[in-house]
Amino acid sequence: AQTVTQSQPEMSVQEAETVTLSCTYDTSESDYYLFWYKQPPSRQMILVIRQEAYKQQNATENRFSVNFQKAAKSFSLKISDSQLGDAAMYFCAYRSTLTSGTYKYIFGTGTRLKVLA
Amino acid sequence: GAVVSQHPSWVICKSGTSVKIECRSLDFQATTMFWYRQFPKQSLMLMATSNEGSKATYEQGVEKDKFLINHASLTLSTLTVTSAHPEDSSFYICSARDLWVAEQYFGPGTRLTVT
Repeated sequence: AQTVTQSQPEMSVQEAETVTLSCTYDTSESDYYLFWYKQPPSRQMILVIRQEAYKQQNATENRFSVNFQKAAKSFSLKISDSQLGDAAMYFCAYRSTLTSGTYKYIFGTGTRLKVLA
Repeated sequence: GAVVSQHPSWVICKSGTSVKIECRSLDFQATTMFWYRQFPKQSLMLMATSNEGSKATYEQGVEKDKFLINHASLTLSTLTVTSAHPEDSSFYICSARDLWVAEQYFGPGTRLTVT
């Protein structure tokens, strides 16, 4: 069974600085998807970034980028130029590909990010 | 982008009563919907997967007779908490998988408080 681990329950970053959130996972599958979701106080889950395992290039979305290390099964999120609005709970998630027939997400325990003004 | 709505956004009910939560995909067809439960400061725990027109698949440890799921159409799934008790108080989130894009979109959640 797949597992997702986020070892940092809480992180803090100064506004305009850079922070990296860690995520490791375990799977025997060779192809899958990895996600970072943001959950602000409203509790609406917001997709931050997605990475397909067969793609070697790290995904980027504006100030958000990932460091995907497939062999190490590591998937960290880097937030550059942190803003107050980035403060939220961040969840790392794993999903099998469609061919496996399993669409469900497996979430990590989350990292609460605080942004200091 | 694709939108998933949930109704109600919050509900308070008395112990022993049942409450129904709706999850709708507003601008896409969803063959599969997922129901999650989230306790304060914890992660999302998948409760069940519902496929349109068929019985839901429940995760281990989730009581199917207590959490009734119906996925009657490609845009609507409902979760009914039967004979609710205070320990059922939680935040319930649904997500819907787009039939054509194979992407999942999350609803805004429903806060259930059982008194």
